[in-house]
Amino acid sequence: QLQLQESGPGLVKPSETLSLICTVSGGSISSNSYYWGWIRQPPGKGLEWIGSIYYSGSTYYNPSLKSRVTMSVDTPKNQFSLTLSSVTAADTAMYYCARYYHGLEEYYFDSWGQGTLVTVSS
Amino acid sequence: DIQMTQSPSSLSASVGDRVTITCRASQSITSYLNWYQQKPGKAPKLLIHAASSLQSGVPSRFSGSGSGTDFTLTISSLQPEDFATYYCQQSYSTALTFGGGTKVEIK
Repeated sequence: QLQLQESGPGLVKPSETLSLICTVSGGSISSNSYYWGWIRQPPGKGLEWIGSIYYSGSTYYNPSLKSRVTMSVDTPKNQFSLTLSSVTAADTAMYYCARYYHGLEEYYFDSWGQGTLVTVSS
Repeated sequence: DIQMTQSPSSLSASVGDRVTITCRASQSITSYLNWYQQKPGKAPKLLIHAASSLQSGVPSRFSGSGSGTDFTLTISSLQPEDFATYYCQQSYSTALTFGGGTKVEIK
């Protein structure tokens, strides 16, 4: 059974860079049918897509975050990562990694990690 | 960006009630619409993909309909475990967007 697990610091200082890793187990990150994504949720608020990456390294980013986001993939380790630069308190959120099925005519997040809370504070 | 607007933002219902949640896209997204359920402290769970396809393992009381700009998630008979927040999400554009959520509470 596929499992995704987020890891990284729970506290980041303002203006610094947030870095998270998602480790995938029970399946290969190199599967042709899937992208891998990051979604965040500020406390008490809704879901915001951050970006998605294919095992080849091809990426799509949220236009509102694009200037600060970088995603990468490490296929030997079956991991993908997120960096978000110049963080502010507005970046405080639960960060989820998820698998994004990319079929012929349908695309959806079908498996999610449990999430990791990142707080931006000095 | 394609904006996704859900209504209502919250509702109160009783066990056994039929519940309908709507989602409207700011432009046509054909059938590239997914629905997720999120319970407090948990990750979202996929319920419906491609507007009306029930994800494996999801109870048949959940159904989705619509195309173009207007979509509906229906719970035919609300069960205690269905009290949660529901989100729609469009996958028509490579810039993915979610609706603001609908919280279903116990009356």
